[in-house]
Amino acid sequence: EVQLVESGGGLIQPGGSLRLSCAASGFTVSSNYMSWVRQAPGKGLEWVSVIYSGGSTYYADSVKGRFTISRDNSKNTLYLQMNSLRAEDTAVYYCASQGGASSGPYDYWGQGTLVTVSS
Amino acid sequence: SYVLTQPPSVSVAPGKTARITCGGNNIGSKSVHWYQQKPGQAPVLVIYYDSDRPSGIPERFSGSNSGNTATLTISRVEAGDEADYYCQVWDSSSDHVFGGGTKLTVL
Repeated sequence: EVQLVESGGGLIQPGGSLRLSCAASGFTVSSNYMSWVRQAPGKGLEWVSVIYSGGSTYYADSVKGRFTISRDNSKNTLYLQMNSLRAEDTAVYYCASQGGASSGPYDYWGQGTLVTVSS
Repeated sequence: SYVLTQPPSVSVAPGKTARITCGGNNIGSKSVHWYQQKPGQAPVLVIYYDSDRPSGIPERFSGSNSGNTATLTISRVEAGDEADYYCQVWDSSSDHVFGGGTKLTVL
């Protein structure tokens, strides 16, 4: 059974940093396209970042230069390093897998981890 | 940037058919995926590649995509279908794009 479990969320002050983790089981992170998708309170889904199986990474303009996506193949875990956090980054952050095609669907999702940026 | 437009809300009586649209420039040339999200839960894929259903999704869920509009159709709507629905595509210039979401209310 495929399972994605996020962790690392919490309350952080503006300008601070946080690292989210997404531990996978039942499949191999490095063989899939893995994304972070966020949802601000009461709002819709917003794609944040993707890492392709080949290692290429891409970011939404809203987080480019502040967030870094990475993975640890030995731990089968996806990460999102978030720096210079702003109030507008407050959201539930989901990791999601996309198989092997950029045009493919997000077939598995984690349960999400809440990040609150506030003083 | 590529934009997907969904109606904010759709209401339907139980047993009737709900249609949720997703508008985008020449969306018919793209692969559209649909997700269902219930309160406090992660999204769940209900339709992929325009019209395919993942295992475990009822046949009542179907999809189509042509021209500038993709449509998610839910037949014989049940109370348990009440949720937010999001369409999603990949665009070479905008990467992964989600629609704004549609709240389906079962009357």
